[in-house]
Amino acid sequence: DQQVKQNSPSLSVQEGRISILNCDYTNSMFDYFLWYKKYPAEGPTFLISISSIKDKNEDGRFTVFLNKSAKHLSLHIVPSQPGDSAVYFCAVGTGANNLFFGTGTRLTVIP
Amino acid sequence: KAGVTQTPRYLIKTRGQQVTLSCSPISGHRSVSWYQQTPGQGLQFLFEYFSETQRNKGNFPGRFSGRQFSNSRSEMNVSTLELGDSALYLCASSFETGGLSYEQYFGPGTRLTVT
Repeated sequence: DQQVKQNSPSLSVQEGRISILNCDYTNSMFDYFLWYKKYPAEGPTFLISISSIKDKNEDGRFTVFLNKSAKHLSLHIVPSQPGDSAVYFCAVGTGANNLFFGTGTRLTVIP
Repeated sequence: KAGVTQTPRYLIKTRGQQVTLSCSPISGHRSVSWYQQTPGQGLQFLFEYFSETQRNKGNFPGRFSGRQFSNSRSEMNVSTLELGDSALYLCASSFETGGLSYEQYFGPGTRLTVT
């Protein structure tokens, strides 16, 4: 039973436009939410996180939004760049060390 | 600071064999978690060790086990390998202080193929 779902396995976006990646979770007890980026042949790299007390967190071109009532998490990348092409995983949990990951969304940014 | 290292990077085993994977965390990180990544299931949490003790455990059979040494290095063992165990096994370490854990840093993974 998937605790975390990323319903879009892939997404293509033109360079300079906004990329929006979505994630839904089932357990309302989750209070720690993260996004990881993964390039081929490398482990996931931490991108950005948000705790349950906030609904938005920004870090440069990356913004994570949290809608706890809808149990929905999204990552906005603007403007998108070709180097952002990777697989993005959302991760949720009740602590940093016991996380449930989504199946990933492959983002392709077209130059 | 060196990142998380995992050895070996690639491994081919046959059904019924057992395998041991190794993970060296970032210096100063005492929490080590293991994940299995498969195309259909994404990353699934196996277990987490902190100060040589298993602190959290995912929903995997007892064939999957692990341990952590006093230097925080960790090993994961899978006994009686099955074809379905073919996956990328990722190790992640994190820093913890005052009861607060911080984001995990992942190693490059060990690609296990069971034939």
